[in-house]
Amino acid sequence: EIVMTQSPATLSVSPGERATLSCRASQSVSSNLAWYQQKPGQAPRLLIYRASVRATGIPARFSGSGSGTEFTLIISSLQSEDFAVYYCQQYNDWPPWTFGQGTKVEIK
Amino acid sequence: QVQLVESGGGAVQPGLSLRLSCAASGFTFNRYGMHWVRQAPGKGLECVAVIPYDGNNKYYADSVKGRFTISRDNSKNTLYLQMDSLRPEDTAVYYCAKDGVAGLRTAAGFSDYWGQGTLVTVSS
Repeated sequence: EIVMTQSPATLSVSPGERATLSCRASQSVSSNLAWYQQKPGQAPRLLIYRASVRATGIPARFSGSGSGTEFTLIISSLQSEDFAVYYCQQYNDWPPWTFGQGTKVEIK
Repeated sequence: QVQLVESGGGAVQPGLSLRLSCAASGFTFNRYGMHWVRQAPGKGLECVAVIPYDGNNKYYADSVKGRFTISRDNSKNTLYLQMDSLRPEDTAVYYCAKDGVAGLRTAAGFSDYWGQGTLVTVSS
């Protein structure tokens, strides 16, 4: 099973600042990597798939990059609605598809 | 617009069964794989079962294999999860989620739409 490790566990950022989230896979997942945002009491929301493709309706301030084992999600200028938990997920291996443990982005 | 509405959750004693349902609308249900993903209280996400668009090549996480059964009725646009021999560690919010790519025999793996989830609590 591929293990996904996210860092940091918590990121404190001021509104308007840039946030950089990392995700590492225990073995190569090519570009089969997705990012999700989850707010308290809500379902996850797809942000990015295929490592860098924004999902429908996702603002351009969200960008993804990477391939192989190292991936990054950047939120270029944090808005109040962006404070949430972010999960990466690999879907290269069938099965199982695995998620990281999450990075909480909180207001500094 | 895509809608996924789960039902069937609730409180149940260990060893008993529950069946979850997910009513889908707003897309061509019989063209997409579907997933059940769960989230234990305060924890992360775990994909527990996947069914491709045609109902073949089902996948189960080791944690539920032999106890849970995923199925679909394409004539009713509905996804199911039959959960037997429930354990306290199965306590979680269960989400129904739509696969991101149409027509794949094994499903793509990422989920572009999610339901709001239904809570399953297993406790004596």
